[in-house]
Amino acid sequence: DSGVTQTPKHLITATGQRVTLRCSPRSGDLSVYWYQQSLDQGLQFLIQYYNGEERAKGNILERFSAQQFPDLHSELNLSSLELGDSALYFCASSVSEIGELFFGEGSRLTVL
Amino acid sequence: AQSVAQPEDQVNVAEGNPLTVKCTYSVSGNPYLFWYVQYPNRGLQFLLKYITGDNLVKGSYGFEAEFNKSQTSFHLKKPSALVSDSALYFCAVRDVGSARQLTFGSGTQLTVLP
Repeated sequence: DSGVTQTPKHLITATGQRVTLRCSPRSGDLSVYWYQQSLDQGLQFLIQYYNGEERAKGNILERFSAQQFPDLHSELNLSSLELGDSALYFCASSVSEIGELFFGEGSRLTVL
Repeated sequence: AQSVAQPEDQVNVAEGNPLTVKCTYSVSGNPYLFWYVQYPNRGLQFLLKYITGDNLVKGSYGFEAEFNKSQTSFHLKKPSALVSDSALYFCAVRDVGSARQLTFGSGTQLTVLP
């Protein structure tokens, strides 16, 4: 158990809908990262927060947004969903911006 | 920009034999290097890291990796493979000077045959 909690574990929804994925980092970790894993794209970095502030942005679509709250949990919002958004979404946390990441078990999103 | 290459999509090795999973990287400055393992339907688990110091890094489950600056490589090794080592392995790099994000390679599927 990494200590990073992600909910929901599985989510099935329809095209055009909006979903929110939630992540609670390990106790004491200030950095939260979101990654998307799909068969054809591999593991893609989406966005990083450190203590509530956005610190780095990767290949995140404009339809996607995220935030980190004062209690350090984070949410990834995915809107106007398309079939191609079906993937595993991972949250990870680290105590600093240079240390190793600890990953949650992921949220598997299926868009029908 | 930083990048990682894992040249082998699949590595097969017999149980008890040594295993190597290859990784090369590209960064503009000094690298922080990591190896992760992913079992089916699970998150990534941290195995080991190179930050500075000794080029041979030891990690979890008997794995080790050797940092080679001249060849920009960070190959993962284990002297004697177990069937339970069968999983997907990811190499990752972070440029110390400029990037906060961790960039992952495409992954190598390791299969240890009994």
